[in-house]
Amino acid sequence: NAGVTQTPKFQVLKTGQSMTLQCAQDMNHNSMYWYRQDPGMGLRLIYYSASEGTTDKGEVPNGYNVSRLNKREFSLRLESAAPSQTSVYFCASSERGTGSISYEQYFGPGTRLTVT
Amino acid sequence: AQKITQTQPGMFVQEKEAVTLDCTYDTSDPSYGLFWYKQPSSGEMIFLIYQGSYDQQNATEGRYSLNFQKARKSANLVISASQLGDSAMYFCAMREGERPGSARQLTFGSGTQLTVLP
Repeated sequence: NAGVTQTPKFQVLKTGQSMTLQCAQDMNHNSMYWYRQDPGMGLRLIYYSASEGTTDKGEVPNGYNVSRLNKREFSLRLESAAPSQTSVYFCASSERGTGSISYEQYFGPGTRLTVT
Repeated sequence: AQKITQTQPGMFVQEKEAVTLDCTYDTSDPSYGLFWYKQPSSGEMIFLIYQGSYDQQNATEGRYSLNFQKARKSANLVISASQLGDSAMYFCAMREGERPGSARQLTFGSGTQLTVLP
């Protein structure tokens, strides 16, 4: 099992350019998430998808869009990149169910994005 | 108000000694879960340990244990017998609510950078 994979690993964009970050998981998880991590801060949720066909905004959704392409894949799009979007982006997945079970999130390796 | 607070930006510990990393949380939800993740310099996020709000006993996983004090809303991570490989950033995170079928968003603290000294 590869777990959660992300592409690309590194990207440099100019202000105003667009790009899509790809994420895929092979653990048959229902829920997937996109976070960003800025220096000195924890991860902040951008968007999440509770299940295939649904997406919802997280804490910092402005400037981003997402697509849950199928159960395995969840992409994050920057339509017009800004320097404030320079960050490390993590995709994660987890099970979805009932009860007080840990259902920890499994994270991808991250994408380091620089917008100049 | 911050939902997860980690007040120690950096900590140092001597190899083979124990260290406690602090985490306090804020929620009015009676059902929640607390997680600790490790992020080494390579950048990946590694799940360490989980504590549910209804769990009667403190969670333990090998050298990691969670000192859960519900009334004080604290969930401190204790690492026993520190190793050089424990040097990393450590994040406390919380998931609120146990609604059936809900997604499991996590709210993270700002992290504690732990350095283990030889």
